[in-house]
This record gives sequence, structure tokens and C-alpha cells, in this order.
Amino acid sequence: GDSVTQMEGPVTLSEEAFLTINCTYTATGYPSLFWYVQYPGEGLQLLLKATKADDKGSNKGFEATYRKETTSFHLEKGSVQVSDSAVYFCALSIVQGAQKLVFGQGTRLTINP
Amino acid sequence: GAVVSQHPSWVICKSGTSVKIECRSLDFQATTMFWYRQFPKQSLMLMATSNEGSKATYEQGVEKDKFLINHASLTLSTLTVTSAHPEDSSFYICSAQFGVTEAFFGQGTRLTVV
Repeated sequence: GDSVTQMEGPVTLSEEAFLTINCTYTATGYPSLFWYVQYPGEGLQLLLKATKADDKGSNKGFEATYRKETTSFHLEKGSVQVSDSAVYFCALSIVQGAQKLVFGQGTRLTINP
Repeated sequence: GAVVSQHPSWVICKSGTSVKIECRSLDFQATTMFWYRQFPKQSLMLMATSNEGSKATYEQGVEKDKFLINHASLTLSTLTVTSAHPEDSSFYICSAQFGVTEAFFGQGTRLTVV
């Protein structure tokens, strides 16, 4: 079945460090790919998405490129801030329209000043 | 973005009792709502999909008599965990969507059954 495998956490970095959180997927169709972020005490928020191969999603300095050849959607940011501390979820959806999502296990990121 | 409110944020109940969790879309009409469950250090697992006015569609392995879902209006869906047991302790999250737009998530409910 469809699945998402995410880099295990927790991940701890210093402010201004480069961030990569790996995400790979398995899907029978042509999925849309997402990164969600969950700040403490809040619901999941959509961070970025890509709907087809080679698309790059970007938001708030974060980027991820849909790589069909490697079935990957790694999240990157060039210079992290303390405010980026959160749990990050990679997800896919193969149903167009209704977003029935399959999630990775989440990666907890802590940024130290 | 749109706001989805889940209530309560956390609840502790005794084994054998039932617990109701509410999911409300505050500023839009949710034609579809999803309920997820998250075990510690694991993924969010989709439990069921509900469309307003119709019966929920449950994922394989989810007991529909155990987890009752009602989506009676375009702004409210409820999940009732019936005859809860300690193994039902988990983090439950809802999301709501209008048509084919982005799904918006509630903040989650942590259920502890003692």
C-alpha cells in the first residue's frame, strides 16, 4: 500500500544551521506530496506542497522538490530559526480533491539559539 | 487559513465509559471531515472519512461500532469512543475540507483511558 517514510528524529540544530529532513514515499498512483508543520499546542498546518514530478514547493524559506526518480520529497531550509522548532510531517495524497492523507511518522525539530 | 477547532484538547476517562470529541469548522462549511489517530512516535493514521449528511467511511481495521462518527452539519463532526479501554488512549486529530480545497486540521485531542 501507499506509505511515507520520514527521517527519524528528534533533530536538534543551532540557529542558522542548514536543515534537511528526508522523506521518501511508496505509491501506486501519482501522488501529491505535502509537508505539514505542527507547532506546540496547535493543529497541523500545511507548509508546502507539490502536485507533480519536478515541482518545487516553497514557503517561509522551506523548500522541497518532488523527485519521482528517487520517490523523495526532502524538506530543506538554508538557515533555521528558533521559531522553526516544531514537528514536521511528510504526507502524500493519491485522491484528487478529497485530501485523504498518508503521513510519515513526524520529525521533531528543535533549534537552539 | 481557515480555522478548525477541536474540543476537548485533552480528556481523561474511566475504562468502560464513552467519550465524545467535537470537530468544528469555524469560518467555512466542511463538506468532508477526516478523523486521524496518532500513537506515540508514530504516523497519523486515517480512521474514517465523513461527508455531511451521510455515513462515515471507515478505514480497514477500524471498528465502526467502537468509533462512532457523526457529521450532522456542515460545521460539526463528532467522534465518540464507546466503552473506552486503555488501548484506546491516543491522540485524535480531525481535519476539515470544503470541496477540493486544502484540508485544515484541528489541534488534536489527547485521550487517556484509566
